[in-house]
Amino acid sequence: AQTVTQSQPEMSVQEAETVTLSCTYDTSESDYYLFWYKQPPSRQMILVIRQEAYKQQNATENRFSVNFQKAAKSFSLKISDSQLGDAAMYFCAYLTGANSKLTFGKGITLSVRP
Amino acid sequence: GEEVAQTPKHLVRGEGQKAKLYCAPIKGHSYVFWYQQVLKNEFKFLISFQNENVFDETGMPKERFSAKCLPNSPCSLEIQATKLEDSAVYFCASSHPELALVNEQFFGPGTRLTVL
Repeated sequence: AQTVTQSQPEMSVQEAETVTLSCTYDTSESDYYLFWYKQPPSRQMILVIRQEAYKQQNATENRFSVNFQKAAKSFSLKISDSQLGDAAMYFCAYLTGANSKLTFGKGITLSVRP
Repeated sequence: GEEVAQTPKHLVRGEGQKAKLYCAPIKGHSYVFWYQQVLKNEFKFLISFQNENVFDETGMPKERFSAKCLPNSPCSLEIQATKLEDSAVYFCASSHPELALVNEQFFGPGTRLTVL
């Protein structure tokens, strides 16, 4: 069974600085997709970034980028120039196969200090 | 619509009562997913549909939980005889079959179920 592990329950970052959130996963599949979702206190799930396993290039979306290490089964999220609005829970998620279910990690609470 | 709609936003039930949650996927999306987020924030997949057909029900509790997606109607998730442990936020998500390469699921705002 596929598992997603987020070992850090909480992290804190100073505004304008950079923070990295860790995620590891376990799978025997060769073709899969990885995602980071942001969940603010409103509970709305917001897709931050996605990575296709077959792509070697790390995905980037504005201030958000990933470090995808396929051999190590690691998928970390880097947030640059942190803003107060980045404070939220962040979930790492995995998906394999067309239209299959998402498997989520336990999430990490990120706080941003002004 | 352009967003996944879920109703109601909040639902309070006494233990043993029935609860019914609704989800309208984005127009044109043929896949619907239900997830349960318990108070510890952990997500659990329940069931998915391809149009009105069950696609994957591996996460669905065998007892008390049922779900449907009928043509021209919102999808529904029903819990018979609710228990305290059913208290959670229930999310619906939908995806477009032609976006299968990116497999993006669009989430609704969730329904918070409180069982007293």
